[in-house]
Amino acid sequence: DAGVTQSPTHLIKTRGQQVTLRCSPKSGHDTVSWYQQALGQGPQFIFQYYEEEERQRGNFPDRFSGHQFPNYSSELNVNALLLGDSALYLCASSLEAGSLLYEQYFGPGTRLTVT
Amino acid sequence: ILNVEQSPQSLHVQEGDSTNFTCSFPSSNFYALHWYRWETAKSPEALFVMTLNGDEKKKGRISATLNTKEGYSYLYIKGSQPEDSATYLCALGYNQGGKLIFGQGTELSVKP
Repeated sequence: DAGVTQSPTHLIKTRGQQVTLRCSPKSGHDTVSWYQQALGQGPQFIFQYYEEEERQRGNFPDRFSGHQFPNYSSELNVNALLLGDSALYLCASSLEAGSLLYEQYFGPGTRLTVT
Repeated sequence: ILNVEQSPQSLHVQEGDSTNFTCSFPSSNFYALHWYRWETAKSPEALFVMTLNGDEKKKGRISATLNTKEGYSYLYIKGSQPEDSATYLCALGYNQGGKLIFGQGTELSVKP
């Protein structure tokens, strides 16, 4: 059973460019959340997708956008990259209609470096 | 502003030592508290999910407790082993299936 996968593993971009990160959820999961982890901090919630719609959003600017596809996979897009966007981006999947004690399963992350 | 604090930031112990660290949070209504173990270059791995005051969970040598009234959770590792070296994250969930608010983590290093 494949867990959460993310691509690419590493990425280097220049300020002002745009980037797309991809996530495939754990088999059977229908909800995808994205987190940003800057150096020395815990992961910060960006947004969550369910039924192809953004359901919750953290305190991130509109430069951060996403999409969820019918197969539940998801993309995170960041426009007009800033140096401060350099971070590890984590994707987590869960089952909306799951048990009371739901868990979010994380992928290994995409390391984005903005130069 | 919700703040989840973990202490200490880092911990260095010898193999065989028992250790514990703390997750503190505002004592308010929340849905669940999660503990994750995150080894370098791997995915964060869920250890425990707790919801009720007084909850205690155990997995092998690792256990956790939750006190919602005073706003803290403890994670204990008995007889630490080098393979326990990792960053341990706690996170609060305020609704089922919703966002998690993470602490900054405790980095544990166990020397043989």
